[in-house]
Amino acid sequence: NAGVTQTPKFRVLKTGQSMTLLCAQDMNHEYMYWYRQDPGMGLRLIHYSVGEGTTAKGEVPDGYNVSRLKKQNFLLGLESAAPSQTSVYFCASSTGTGVFSETQYFGPGTRLLVL
Amino acid sequence: RKEVEQDPGPFNVPEGATVAFNCTYSNSASQSFFWYRQDCRKEPKLLMSVYSSGNEDGRFTAQLNRASQYISLLIRDSKLSDSATYLCVVSNTGKLIFGQGTTLQVKP
Repeated sequence: NAGVTQTPKFRVLKTGQSMTLLCAQDMNHEYMYWYRQDPGMGLRLIHYSVGEGTTAKGEVPDGYNVSRLKKQNFLLGLESAAPSQTSVYFCASSTGTGVFSETQYFGPGTRLLVL
Repeated sequence: RKEVEQDPGPFNVPEGATVAFNCTYSNSASQSFFWYRQDCRKEPKLLMSVYSSGNEDGRFTAQLNRASQYISLLIRDSKLSDSATYLCVVSNTGKLIFGQGTTLQVKP
């Protein structure tokens, strides 16, 4: 099992450019999440999904969109990148059933630099 | 006020030392509690869940005080390989709230 994978690992964008980050999991998990991690801030939830075809906003959703067309994939889009979106982006997944399903499994992260 | 607060450290300790990390949370409705470990430039990984009665996993002991809204992690006999950032995490209705992390550096 690959677990949770993220593509790409690193990207440099210019202000105003768009891009899509791909997250894939092979654990048949229902729930998937996108976080960003900034120095001194901890991980903050951007968007999440509790099942195929459903998405919801997290703590910091502005400037991002998501889609979950297939259970195993969760895409994070930046329509018009801004320097404030320079961050490390982590995808995670969990089973979604029971209290201890809250254990989340993280991908290796995508480092994004917006110039 | 942050929902989950940790002393960012860094904590610099010699091998073999005992070190304790503390964490406070503001939402009294929080239901589940965890410690995650994050190595430099890597993803977070679950270290242990924290149960109301306290729990131990080898050299690691976690405690929860719901009345004081306080969580702790004790590491005994520190190893070089314990060097990492330890993230205090609380959950309410399935969403995880992360503290900013406490950095531990274990030196020979």
